[in-house]
Amino acid sequence: DIQMTQSPSSLSASIGDTVTITCRASWGISTYLNWIQVKLGRAPKLLIHGASNVQSGVPSRFTGSGSGTDFTLTINSLQPEDFATYYCQQSYSTPPTFGQGTKLEIK
Amino acid sequence: EVQLVESGGGLVQPGGSLRLSCVASGFNYIYAMSWVRQVPGKGLEWVSAISGSGDRTYYADSVKGRFTISRDNSQKTLYLEMSSLRVEDTAIYHCAKDRFVSWDNWFDPWGQGTLVTVSS
Repeated sequence: DIQMTQSPSSLSASIGDTVTITCRASWGISTYLNWIQVKLGRAPKLLIHGASNVQSGVPSRFTGSGSGTDFTLTINSLQPEDFATYYCQQSYSTPPTFGQGTKLEIK
Repeated sequence: EVQLVESGGGLVQPGGSLRLSCVASGFNYIYAMSWVRQVPGKGLEWVSAISGSGDRTYYADSVKGRFTISRDNSQKTLYLEMSSLRVEDTAIYHCAKDRFVSWDNWFDPWGQGTLVTVSS
């Protein structure tokens, strides 16, 4: 199975800040990388697919980049609704696997 | 609006069984579907998937032989039959829609989830 490793595991930031989360795959996955936002009690939400494609309805302050083994999710100008846990997920091979998550908290 | 609503979770003893359901609305129910679980305080784990016609099923090694995925397209309902449940199966179980009829490791959108607690 492909192992996905995210960093940091938690992050404190303020409204208006820009933050970056990184994700590393244990072997090359081209751009088969998705980013998912999870809030307690809510349905998880796909933000980015194919490493850099913003899903319909997702604000443009969310951007993704990378290919191969190294990927980043950047959130510009943090808004209150952005404080959540973020997971990367590889869709390159079965079983699909997720990073351990990055919890973004308000400073 | 696409909507997925899970039900059937609850408290069950180790070794017990439970059946989860996921009712879909707002889209043509021909797409592959999956179950993904979220362990409170931990991460996400893919559990199982099924093709749009139901003729192909897929399972994580951790549940193979204990869980069975199925679907009733006439009722737009996805099921997960869970047996020989273990403490480590405790999680919120979400269903998710794929973008294709054949399963493509894609999860969007997701349901809110149903909590399964395995404890004596």
